[in-house]
Amino acid sequence: AQSVTQLGSHVSVSEGALVLLRCNYSSSVPPYLFWYVQYPNQGLQLLLKYTSAATLVKGINGFEAEFKKSETSFHLTKPSAHMSDAAEYFCAVSAAGSNTGNQFYFGTGTSLTVIP
Amino acid sequence: NAGVMQNPRHLVRRRGQEARLRCSPMKGHSHVYWYRQLPEEGLKFMVYLQKENIIDESGMPKERFSAEFPKEGPSILRIQQVVRGDSAAYFCASSRPGQKLFFGSGTQLSVL
Repeated sequence: AQSVTQLGSHVSVSEGALVLLRCNYSSSVPPYLFWYVQYPNQGLQLLLKYTSAATLVKGINGFEAEFKKSETSFHLTKPSAHMSDAAEYFCAVSAAGSNTGNQFYFGTGTSLTVIP
Repeated sequence: NAGVMQNPRHLVRRRGQEARLRCSPMKGHSHVYWYRQLPEEGLKFMVYLQKENIIDESGMPKERFSAEFPKEGPSILRIQQVVRGDSAAYFCASSRPGQKLFFGSGTQLSVL
């Protein structure tokens, strides 16, 4: 079985500061891991995904995440926050080899606020 | 190429009425998924459909909820006899087989 825990439902950072959004997963099989972003009044967009290739994954808008098997973590980072990064971020896990949405398990989301 | 289209964006129903939520997948996408987003709970998978077939409905409540994806037209998520607890955002996603998901903007259902 797969599950995801996102620590911190709300994160605030100053513009230009480091963004760190935490995600820990549990999976009985090698996982695929995803980060999605939801801007206000919009659907979710895929930021990046890990599918057992390189452990450091680079995504859109300057975000990246590192898969750490020993820590069962897949934290999302960005070196310098921009006002436009304010959004809801969701971590998700699926069974290895699966891109089908019925095998996705989403975290509860982290709301990122960027302070000018 | 239009994205995943959901309508209406906002739907208000009184208890006991029916709610119909529509989802038009992206062109060329044959797989549709419905998710429900409740406050503090994130997204929960409800149902996975291909044209004229329900592939996985393990996330659907056993009563009052149904979904279809006909050969022609949008996918419909139908909630009969709505209750206040059905109030949530409902998201649809579509994909080609084995490809990444594209999400719609969601339908916010409010039950009075």
